[in-house]
Amino acid sequence: GAGVSQTPSNKVTEKGKYVELRCDPISGHTALYWYRQSLGQGPEFLIYFQGTGAADDSGLPNDRFFAVRPEGSVSTLKIQRTERGDSAVYLCASSFLAGGYTGELFFGEGSRLTVL
Amino acid sequence: ILNVEQSPQSLHVQEGDSTNFTCSFPSSNFYALHWYRWETAKSPEALFVMTLNGDEKKKGRISATLNTKEGYSYLYIKGSQPEDSATYLCAFSGTYKYIFGTGTRLKVLA
Repeated sequence: GAGVSQTPSNKVTEKGKYVELRCDPISGHTALYWYRQSLGQGPEFLIYFQGTGAADDSGLPNDRFFAVRPEGSVSTLKIQRTERGDSAVYLCASSFLAGGYTGELFFGEGSRLTVL
Repeated sequence: ILNVEQSPQSLHVQEGDSTNFTCSFPSSNFYALHWYRWETAKSPEALFVMTLNGDEKKKGRISATLNTKEGYSYLYIKGSQPEDSATYLCAFSGTYKYIFGTGTRLKVLA
């Protein structure tokens, strides 16, 4: 597809369960970001990939959160032992960086996670 | 901690009114200031990216200005229409990290 694709669009799970959220970025975009938007807040930075490596994972809230991008394209955000406070919209964005960080981020529609 | 603030938090205007929102950001280590428009059930969409102090950008009825010395940007919408209803996000990029404000939720009443 032409844009950033995120699946699932909606996920309802029970407290304590494991969840995976997938992001398929725009082809050729080397930079990939995960953000989390909780109710009433702006998107909060979680992790940034440049190629296959996580260049900055300082926004991951705790060790229950992990993300991978093994081949430098698709990324998966993994959440273990989900808690009610993890309920949010998880946004993925990609960008083609060429010598600076002024480029546009292209976002997916987000994955809405609800933990009961 | 880098903080990006937006005001107002939400806004209701009548169709045809003009309106504006504010984004304030750190003035140090500045690369760019971005405005995004986020409609319900859709993905955030870039409106403008501005890099230089004094930059002004315009797209149809929407325009934006940038003051990097004092750390603020304004977004203006002239003659608001119901289809302008959305959340308007600004983001500061100082390095690879884009820091977003909490957004301004605009509702245009027909």
